[in-house]
Amino acid sequence: AQRVTQPEKLLSVFKGAPVELKCNYSYSGSPELFWYVQYSRQRLQLLLRHISRESIKGFTADLNKGETSFHLKKPFAQEEDSAMYYCALSGGYNKLIFGAGTRLAVHP
Amino acid sequence: DAMVIQNPRYQVTQFGKPVTLSCSQTLNHNVMYWYQQKSSQAPKLLFHYYDKDFNNEADTPDNFQSRRPNTSFCFLDIRSPGLGDAAMYLCATSSQGTASTDTQYFGPGTRLTVL
Repeated sequence: AQRVTQPEKLLSVFKGAPVELKCNYSYSGSPELFWYVQYSRQRLQLLLRHISRESIKGFTADLNKGETSFHLKKPFAQEEDSAMYYCALSGGYNKLIFGAGTRLAVHP
Repeated sequence: DAMVIQNPRYQVTQFGKPVTLSCSQTLNHNVMYWYQQKSSQAPKLLFHYYDKDFNNEADTPDNFQSRRPNTSFCFLDIRSPGLGDAAMYLCATSSQGTASTDTQYFGPGTRLTVL
């Protein structure tokens, strides 16, 4: 079964601290994975996709097929990073299977 | 310059009374999706249209229907809403539905309350 698991509902850190939001997936085949973000009072939007191997707003995510993980990392959190983060897996036709989300709270 | 628009933003309906949620897009994208998101849960895909081709998810209840009269508009019809259908409904679009190159653009959502 295709599934995305985000084990933490809430991650609370101080400004300047490193951040790692965990994501594990279950998928038979070559997965396409994404991180979506929803800032307060804004719509859900794409943060990054694994195939691009890019850094967006200082965030990176590496696909680890052995551990079936796609954790999102940032070395120094900023207050403006506070948001809801969703890991998602593509199930074809870009049909997204989302995790339940992790709320990141960055405190001053 | 909103690209995916959902109306209304908040909808209240009565148990069993049919309700329609609306989504429109200015991106001229081929694919439109409807997701249901219940409180503290992941968004869950209900169905999608690739152009005029309707694709229902296997576990989407029959109570949920959709219409796409043209490229720009897509509607979600709930024939007989139950209390369990109270949720945020998200509309999204993508250009071709190819995950590696496409981005899904989401609307702001419609929050449905069932009394």
